[in-house]
Amino acid sequence: QKEVEQNSGPLSVPEGAIASLNCTYSDRGSQSFFWYRQYSGKSPELIMFIYSNGDKEDGRFTAQLNKASQYVSLLIRDSQPSDSATYLCASGGGRRALTFGSGTRLQVQP
Amino acid sequence: NAGVMQNPRHLVRRRGQEARLRCSPMKGHSHVYWYRQLPEEGLKFMVYLQKENIIDESGMPKERFSAEFPKEGPSILRIQQVVRGDSAAYFCASSPPLVGNSYEQYFGPGTRLTVT
Repeated sequence: QKEVEQNSGPLSVPEGAIASLNCTYSDRGSQSFFWYRQYSGKSPELIMFIYSNGDKEDGRFTAQLNKASQYVSLLIRDSQPSDSATYLCASGGGRRALTFGSGTRLQVQP
Repeated sequence: NAGVMQNPRHLVRRRGQEARLRCSPMKGHSHVYWYRQLPEEGLKFMVYLQKENIIDESGMPKERFSAEFPKEGPSILRIQQVVRGDSAAYFCASSPPLVGNSYEQYFGPGTRLTVT
């Protein structure tokens, strides 16, 4: 069973702090990893993707991938109340279908 | 540049009726995926299609569910004889032609199906 595990949260951080979201995956064949943000009642929005070990930065977001440890993380710098949402981690392999974690709910306190 | 389009956005059906959900991928995208999100649960893959071909339907329930992506027109997810357990948000995603490992999927707004 291919699984992606996330802590459901809520993860609560003060405004301006760094939010750190983590994800582990079980399928060593996974090649690609994605972070989606989902506001309540809305559809998932792609915010980051990473294919290689190491860090990838885009604005306030940094994705980190460690294939040896089967671990993916998302850092959000200078967190804003508008970042409050559920963050979904997903993995993909040759089949292209994505396997999603259940999501981590982030709350940024003003 | 229009995103992924889905309609209807909300659909109410009585038990035993049929539900048809439509999805038009982003311009330039030739791959369509359907996912289901049950209340308070994660997204689950259902089916992956290209034009006139079902590539992977490993996540589709064996009965009552079918999908197509005809040469012309949107992709259709069809649920026959709906039951209350089918009530969920159904999301369509699309991706561009494969380039290396790049196949980011972009989601439409979803169809929220309620079975009464």
